[in-house]
Amino acid sequence: DGGITQSPKYLFRKEGQNVTLSCEQNLNHDAMYWYRQDPGQGLRLIYYSQIVNDFQKGDIAEGYSVSREKKESFPLTVTSAQKNPTAFYLCASSRQGYYGYTFGSGTRLTVV
Amino acid sequence: AQKVTQAQTEISVVEKEDVTLDCVYETRDTTYYLFWYKQPPSGELVFLIRRNSFDEQNEISGRYSWNFQKSTSSFNFTITASQVVDSAVYFCALSEPTSGTYKYIFGTGTRLKVLA
Repeated sequence: DGGITQSPKYLFRKEGQNVTLSCEQNLNHDAMYWYRQDPGQGLRLIYYSQIVNDFQKGDIAEGYSVSREKKESFPLTVTSAQKNPTAFYLCASSRQGYYGYTFGSGTRLTVV
Repeated sequence: AQKVTQAQTEISVVEKEDVTLDCVYETRDTTYYLFWYKQPPSGELVFLIRRNSFDEQNEISGRYSWNFQKSTSSFNFTITASQVVDSAVYFCALSEPTSGTYKYIFGTGTRLKVLA
């Protein structure tokens, strides 16, 4: 079955560390997105990519980085520059057009 | 600027009650798309419905119905005869083709608790 796989489900980061969240899709979707979810704030866009080897900053890109070397993969790195990284991170993909997103099951990141 | 407002932070109902979740949006575009997603405790957002700005017909899908009113910029979601399995966070979202992307603007969500 097609879908989006995010890993790991839970991730713990020490202060000053970079961590990478994985997002893989087998839906043949062109576009992929990373959202951050905090309680009471809904979903905020971090980065998005509409085509391989190209990506754009979203509303809260500071302290994050991404790559899109393959159509299927869109990993997100949370760098030490992100001062408040504890949150729930959701990856999504879509085909061109306004058909809706398919979401992954999320990664919960906690700073320890 | 585009914006989606879900003023109801949390709603609690007793099973079998009807419940309406409100969504009000702001956009300058005449062409746009509206969506509803459900986020159960597992965390993954599940697509419920898409509506484009030229289609104001209300839609019913089983116990779910949606009321789209351009005059009031609202796209409300009603669950009839609610069930415990409906307990989740529900998000309304807006997308505008003129942005040149397929990005969504999400509301802050409404947490629905259905009590047995």
